[in-house]
Amino acid sequence: EPEVTQTPSHQVTQMGQEVILRCVPISNHLYFYWYRQILGQKVEFLVSFYNNEISEKSEIFDDQFSVERPDGSNFTLKIRSTKLEDSAMYFCASSVGDSSNQPQHFGDGTRLSIL
Amino acid sequence: AQSVTQLDSQVPVFEEAPVELRCNYSSSVSVYLFWYVQYPNQGLQLLLKYLSGSTLVKGINGFEAEFNKSQTSFHLRKPSVHISDTAEYFCAVRRSGGFKTIFGAGTRLFVKA
Repeated sequence: EPEVTQTPSHQVTQMGQEVILRCVPISNHLYFYWYRQILGQKVEFLVSFYNNEISEKSEIFDDQFSVERPDGSNFTLKIRSTKLEDSAMYFCASSVGDSSNQPQHFGDGTRLSIL
Repeated sequence: AQSVTQLDSQVPVFEEAPVELRCNYSSSVSVYLFWYVQYPNQGLQLLLKYLSGSTLVKGINGFEAEFNKSQTSFHLRKPSVHISDTAEYFCAVRRSGGFKTIFGAGTRLFVKA
């Protein structure tokens, strides 16, 4: 069964540095998402992306964050000037067709640790 | 806005016993409902979904859930659990036409031998 793959599985970064989290969505999917889960807290929506544009974003997704689909297969989340509170598990997801009634398929996540 | 409440943070149960994980949601608009499972060090795997139609939906691994609109609930059930069902279970909701999935806080199911 096709999967969403995320790399790296664990990223350790110094506070203030930039980090790029990478995702390869399922190949025929058209909608892409990032979520995060701070340790011990809920999974939170960050952003959705369709047709090379952000379609919806949460209040968490401020100017520190950006997303990009640099080629036909990758979907990235860039975090600039990382802070300690950015430490979390970041999940990429994708879905096919109309996203509102199609389930989102999640990757295994990237654990981001800011030191 | 939508919200999801999972009433139990942890549910311990013996192997082969039945289990129910409770989920209530609130929304002023039509929503779709989902249950996801997260095994240790893994991502979120879809167990089942309710979009429309029959209120009893069956998913993978023998799980089922019943949508109750009047009680705004979507409880997950399994008649006989296995050790391998030990995991975190998340109830989630998405409004019709929306992109954002709202997750509950999760329920940790611990199956004991």
